[in-house]
Amino acid sequence: DAGITQSPRHKVTETGTPVTLRCHQTENHRYMYWYRQDPGHGLRLIHYSYGVKDTDKGEVSDGYSVSRSKTEDFLLTLESATSSQTSVYFCAIREPGTDTQYFGPGTRLTVL
Amino acid sequence: AQRVTQPEKLLSVFKGAPVELKCNYSYSGSPELFWYVQYSRQRLQLLLRHISRESIKGFTADLNKGETSFHLKKPFAQEEDSAMYYCALSGNNAGNMLTFGGGTRLMVKP
Repeated sequence: DAGITQSPRHKVTETGTPVTLRCHQTENHRYMYWYRQDPGHGLRLIHYSYGVKDTDKGEVSDGYSVSRSKTEDFLLTLESATSSQTSVYFCAIREPGTDTQYFGPGTRLTVL
Repeated sequence: AQRVTQPEKLLSVFKGAPVELKCNYSYSGSPELFWYVQYSRQRLQLLLRHISRESIKGFTADLNKGETSFHLKKPFAQEEDSAMYYCALSGNNAGNMLTFGGGTRLMVKP
């Protein structure tokens, strides 16, 4: 499973509350990604990181922020959760020298 | 801009029948293409990538640059093949981001 874990695995929260999701890797890979998965849309990139403190926006970044203070951890924060952010969130890492990405187990987030 | 289209949201076949999951892409350069599989509520798993030309679990996919397609095929479907399948493209972009299609759910009936 490529040494990627996500926490929490499930979370229910209320509109307007902040939420932080954690992705942890044991592979020491440089590139890490956050995607959201929604029916009919496949996976869409939220943010990615290309090193400690180096991040950039993806296709659907509005309402999300990220941080990477250590190689192994990539945090995704919803500053003020909305119902449209109810989704399954996947973290991924990229195999060095290739474009192949390996995915974490996902976090199912429900915003009421 | 790069785009991946999987025209079928659901494909239902009987066990032992051939399977073809369609994937079309638009990209102006030389893409790298992947198929990922997701079994019920599990993580996405890499099924195959065109650059390595390998066959996994009996699945193959050929990149057709003329038709801009990367269809996934298997000659004889098994019940355990039932899953969501995603086609993805990596172009020459900052961050080596993957662009995913909307996915096709394959149901193999006994």
